[in-house]
Amino acid sequence: QTVVTQEPSLTVSPGGTVTLTCASSTGAVTSGYYPNWFQQKPGQAPRALIYSTSNKHSWTPARFSGSLLGGKAALTLSGVQPEDEAEYYCLLYYGAWVFGGGTKLTVL
Amino acid sequence: QITLKESGPTLVKPTQTLTLTCTFSGFSLSTSGVGVGWIRQPPGKALEWLALIYWDDDKRYSPSLKSRLTITKDTSKNQVVLTMTNMDPVDTATYYCAHVDTAQFDYWGQGTLVTVSS
Repeated sequence: QTVVTQEPSLTVSPGGTVTLTCASSTGAVTSGYYPNWFQQKPGQAPRALIYSTSNKHSWTPARFSGSLLGGKAALTLSGVQPEDEAEYYCLLYYGAWVFGGGTKLTVL
Repeated sequence: QITLKESGPTLVKPTQTLTLTCTFSGFSLSTSGVGVGWIRQPPGKALEWLALIYWDDDKRYSPSLKSRLTITKDTSKNQVVLTMTNMDPVDTATYYCAHVDTAQFDYWGQGTLVTVSS
């Protein structure tokens, strides 16, 4: 059973920078896992942010960026805004797809 | 623009089979690289990927649920149907469908809450 692990929670100050990571139980995450990142606010459907590691959708704010960092997929928020407080999920491809457990980001 | 909407029963009894329909517009499931996936989320818990069907009828399933899931498409009706057998209260969740373009999950439906209870 493949497990994708994210930080359960992170806190960042407004205007600050934070990096969320996404690790695979099978080893290093590479571009071949096609990492996707999603943002979900309470009561809403998930919203896609990043695909294939670092590609942004047309609606993705510029302060969000994706990368590979230390064998993990990473989502970096630079210049965090209060409205970025949300749950963030990564999704990796193994032939089938697996979500991470999510990171609750608090902006305080 | 691309839109998707999930429909199906809001309440099912344990051991019954759940049938959910994703009706979409703004794209065709006969276009190369395009697919529709299903994802669920139990109340207060994380997202869980369930299944995906591509334009060429390639089907992928969550290994842990594969024996209970079937995904099919009706290209002429712009619909994708997911069936899940032997429902249990732990399957209570909001079920989402999403548009997939090769390896990107971009557009999502609003979700439909399914409760499993006798």
